[in-house]
Amino acid sequence: NAGVTQTPKFQVLKTGQSMTLQCAQDMNHEYMSWYRQDPGMGLRLIHYSVGAGITDQGEVPNGYNVSRSTTEDFPLRLLSAAPSQTSVYFCASSLHQMNTEAFFGQGTRLTVV
Amino acid sequence: AQKVTQAQTEISVVEKEDVTLDCVYETRDTTYYLFWYKQPPSGELVFLIRRNSFDEQNEISGRYSWNFQKSTSSFNFTITASQVVDSAVYFCALSEVDNSGNTPLVFGKGTRLSVIA
Repeated sequence: NAGVTQTPKFQVLKTGQSMTLQCAQDMNHEYMSWYRQDPGMGLRLIHYSVGAGITDQGEVPNGYNVSRSTTEDFPLRLLSAAPSQTSVYFCASSLHQMNTEAFFGQGTRLTVV
Repeated sequence: AQKVTQAQTEISVVEKEDVTLDCVYETRDTTYYLFWYKQPPSGELVFLIRRNSFDEQNEISGRYSWNFQKSTSSFNFTITASQVVDSAVYFCALSEVDNSGNTPLVFGKGTRLSVIA
């Protein structure tokens, strides 16, 4: 089973560039979310989705867009990359409600120069 | 608003020592869920345990045990006879249950555990 798949694993962007971090899950999970992990800050929620067609903002949504056109996919878009967005990004999914076990992808290490 | 505090930023122990990782949470809800995740040096996040607010029984799984005390809003994690493979960052997390269902996981800042051989 693939679980939660994130691509790419590593990415270097120049300031101002845009890109999409891909996240796909094959477990038919309703809930998906994006977190960023920065040193000493733990994991902070960017955006989340409770089902196809429904998204909501988390703690640190500025500079990021998401969409959920299918149950399986939850891409994260950086519209105009900034050095402050240098981070490790994790996608997670869970079956029905947020209080069930969340499965995480392997992470994407993004550097913005 | 929900909040999770892991006051210990880094802990270093010698192999075979016992170690307790502290987690204190804040919530206004009576129904909520608490979690622990492990992040080994390889970077992935590994689920360890989930506990709901109505179940205060302590849990033991091998060398791992968890102590949930609502009176002190704490959900502490103890590793007995630590091993080098326990070296990782450990995250405590909280999810509330509000009128819309559930809120996403809110994580503490993590505790980095180093176990020295």
